[in-house]
Amino acid sequence: NAGVTQTPKFQVLKTGQSMTLQCAQDMNHEYMSWYRQDPGMGLRLIHYSVGAGITDQGEVPNGYNVSRSTTEDFPLRLLSAAPSQTSVYFCASSYSPENSPLHFGNGTRLTVT
Amino acid sequence: GQQVMQIPQYQHVQEGEDFTTYCNSSTTLSNIQWYKQRPGGHPVFLIQLVKSGEVKKQKRLTFQFGEAKKNSSLHITATQTTDVGTYFCAGCSGSARQLTFGSGTQLTVLP
Repeated sequence: NAGVTQTPKFQVLKTGQSMTLQCAQDMNHEYMSWYRQDPGMGLRLIHYSVGAGITDQGEVPNGYNVSRSTTEDFPLRLLSAAPSQTSVYFCASSYSPENSPLHFGNGTRLTVT
Repeated sequence: GQQVMQIPQYQHVQEGEDFTTYCNSSTTLSNIQWYKQRPGGHPVFLIQLVKSGEVKKQKRLTFQFGEAKKNSSLHITATQTTDVGTYFCAGCSGSARQLTFGSGTQLTVLP
């Protein structure tokens, strides 16, 4: 069982570059989400999706885009990387955010110089 | 929007001492979940509380959900070095189909 798979594990970008963080889950979960984790700030929700074709903004969506064309995949796009986006990014999925546990991927450590 | 506050931010204890982290929400929660993140790892689900006043135990860990469903706590009895990590609470309220995480409590256990 792969669970939630995130790629890459590490990435270094220059300011202004764009990239896509990949997230895939094989548990047939309807709900998927992206969080960023910064020291002392906990996990902050960037974007989430309650099913294929449906996405919505979380707490800190600026500078990020998402799409959900399939149940399995939920990529996160950085449009023009900024140093403030240096962080650890986690993708997570569940059957429902209201009453089932989130399964997290192993994370992507992103540095923007 | 919904806010979930968690204290303390850091806690150092001697092995064998007890530890408690507290979580408070600005709104009534439909449920609260607790996660543990080991250093360098990803958050791992521990438990979910749903009912007002609910208390659940997992070995040395005791989880409580307040009567008003706006606060929760995690208590670890007789900490061990394997308890090291950051503990997060996360709550879901009303129609918001998203979990809001507390800022976490980083626990260090000194041998």
